[in-house]
Amino acid sequence: EVQLVESGGGLVQPGESLRLSCAASGFTFSSYSMTWVRQAPGKGLEWISVITGGSKSTYYADSVKGRFTISRDNSRNTLFLQMNSLRAEDTALYYCAKLRPGNSPFDCWGQGTLVTVSS
Amino acid sequence: DIQMTQSPSTLSASVGDRVTITCRASQSISSWLAWYQQKPGKTPSLLISKASTLESGVPSRFSGSGSGTEFSLTISSLQPDDFATYYCQQYNSYSTWTFGQGTKVEIK
Repeated sequence: EVQLVESGGGLVQPGESLRLSCAASGFTFSSYSMTWVRQAPGKGLEWISVITGGSKSTYYADSVKGRFTISRDNSRNTLFLQMNSLRAEDTALYYCAKLRPGNSPFDCWGQGTLVTVSS
Repeated sequence: DIQMTQSPSTLSASVGDRVTITCRASQSISSWLAWYQQKPGKTPSLLISKASTLESGVPSRFSGSGSGTEFSLTISSLQPDDFATYYCQQYNSYSTWTFGQGTKVEIK
């Protein structure tokens, strides 16, 4: 059974940094692209970033490009999101999710970790 | 960037009703469209991929159709468990993934 467990969320002040983690199990982690998606309180889903299985390629939404960095450690089956220069509008529940090979939706999701940016 | 527009934003319906949610893409995405269901306080769940392919375990009362820029999600007979928010998502290009703004299906 695929399991994705996010961690690392918390309360930070504007301008600070935070690193999220997503521990994966139940599948061959290195074979699949992974993604981060966020959901601001009471709002819809916003795609943030994707990383391919071997970390060769990464993709970002314009809203986070230059501030957030996605990475992965396939030896530890873990996905990361380094978030720098955080803003109030980055406050959200951050989900990690798994893609399928090729053009793919997000077929399995974690429970999310909450990031609050406030002074 | 491809924009996804869902309608309506909110839909009030009764158990047993047939409901349809539409999703429009700002440019052609072929059939690279997914639908997700999100219940309050829960994680999104993939219902349909490739515009019309039902995911394993999803009840047959759900169906998807469309291609190009116009898509729809239909629930043939609304059940109490179906009251949720539904999102469409395009995955046409392997560089951006875009969600619609969501459609909340609530009890009439």
